[in-house]
Amino acid sequence: NAGVTQTPKFQVLKTGQSMTLQCAQDMNHNSMYWYRQDPGMGLRLIYYSASEGTTDKGEVPNGYNVSRLNKREFSLRLESAAPSQTSVYFCASSEAQAGVGYEQYFGPGTRLTVT
Amino acid sequence: GENVEQHPSTLSVQEGDSAVIKCTYSDSASNYFPWYKQELGKRPQLIIDIRSNVGEKKDQRIAVTLNKTAKHFSLHITETQPEDSAVYFCAAPSGNTGKLIFGQGTTLQVKP
Repeated sequence: NAGVTQTPKFQVLKTGQSMTLQCAQDMNHNSMYWYRQDPGMGLRLIYYSASEGTTDKGEVPNGYNVSRLNKREFSLRLESAAPSQTSVYFCASSEAQAGVGYEQYFGPGTRLTVT
Repeated sequence: GENVEQHPSTLSVQEGDSAVIKCTYSDSASNYFPWYKQELGKRPQLIIDIRSNVGEKKDQRIAVTLNKTAKHFSLHITETQPEDSAVYFCAAPSGNTGKLIFGQGTTLQVKP
């Protein structure tokens, strides 16, 4: 039982390049999330998927796109990377239900640097 | 939408002292309040959570208290140890899809 896994662990991009961050969970959770973490800013939600086949914007969606490929996998794509997207990216999942909060389980993170 | 404010941003205590971190939230409909601990270079992990039908919850040296009237909740760590040094985040739900809004984080340093 691996929990939440993310690839890659580290990535360096040049401005304008694109890339996709991969996330998978093996806990049969309905909901999945992408966060970015910057010093002093906490964890900010980029996009989330409440269930397979649905995605919605979070607090900071600009410059990102997501795909909920199936119940297990939720990917985050940067189409044209900018230095402001240098950050640590965390994927998370939870067995959230409407109106009921549940623990979110986080992946190990991806450290992205855009030069 | 939900807004979560967390204070202080940094906290330094001597080993054995208590530490208190406070969060306020804006949505009176929120009903679930978790606290996460993040050690340096690692992922956030849940350490304790509370639901709105109780005012306090304890787990060994950590406790969370909730004041729904004032819309704030606090993390209490007693008899602090060096391994408690980490960044702590509070969170509150936004909407009914399970998403959480996190506070800005508190860096706790426990000095031996």
